[in-house]
Amino acid sequence: QSSLTQEASVSGTVGQKVTLSCTGNNNNIGSFAVGWYQQISHGAPKTVMFGNFLPSGIPDRFSGSKSGTTASLTISGLRPEDEADYYCSTWDYSLSAWVFGGGTKLTVL
Amino acid sequence: EVQLVESGGGLVQSGGSLRLSCAGSGFIFSNYAMHWVRQAPGKGLEYVSGIGDNGEHTYYAKSVKDRFTISRDNSKNTLYLQMGSLRSDDLAVYYCARGTGIVVVTPVDYWGQGTLVSVSS
Repeated sequence: QSSLTQEASVSGTVGQKVTLSCTGNNNNIGSFAVGWYQQISHGAPKTVMFGNFLPSGIPDRFSGSKSGTTASLTISGLRPEDEADYYCSTWDYSLSAWVFGGGTKLTVL
Repeated sequence: EVQLVESGGGLVQSGGSLRLSCAGSGFIFSNYAMHWVRQAPGKGLEYVSGIGDNGEHTYYAKSVKDRFTISRDNSKNTLYLQMGSLRSDDLAVYYCARGTGIVVVTPVDYWGQGTLVSVSS
């Protein structure tokens, strides 16, 4: 069982905007920056957002936000190549370790 | 260009040991915390261990604590994971990842391609 809760699956059509959520508690999301990681076909993960920062090379269709103990990743203008598994993660103060969400499978219809 | 290249994976017997390495290049290795994350077949990402920039502070997931040891050699730009008492549930692809700061609490920005660890009974 993951420490962070994510939707198991989300789908959207090309050009649509979708939002993925990640819920934790005050020991993790409520206190530390969140990272969002994209994994296509079980290849190596790629960071698409960390804190409020967009890594170099990631299109600005990706954006992140956080409110209390819930973080969100929004993808605007959905494209077929965005189809992937997306994981959120952050530090957990009580565990002294990172925690991950179970991952959201994003399907682009 | 930032690159992280893992090595050292392979097939090991249950109860055995293995050492993974991760060579970093394209950045000042000693300025960043580093981490190991693994993924079992068909499963999600799981945190394994992290180490601060100077190696003084180390952290472990409960599932590997007292069996795995993370370390780094900043003179060689290399991160290590010494794995012992390996069990079937350690079977996974192991990724190294670079933190976005000197301490382990910040997210990561770069990942390696991963190295597969298989455990036979």
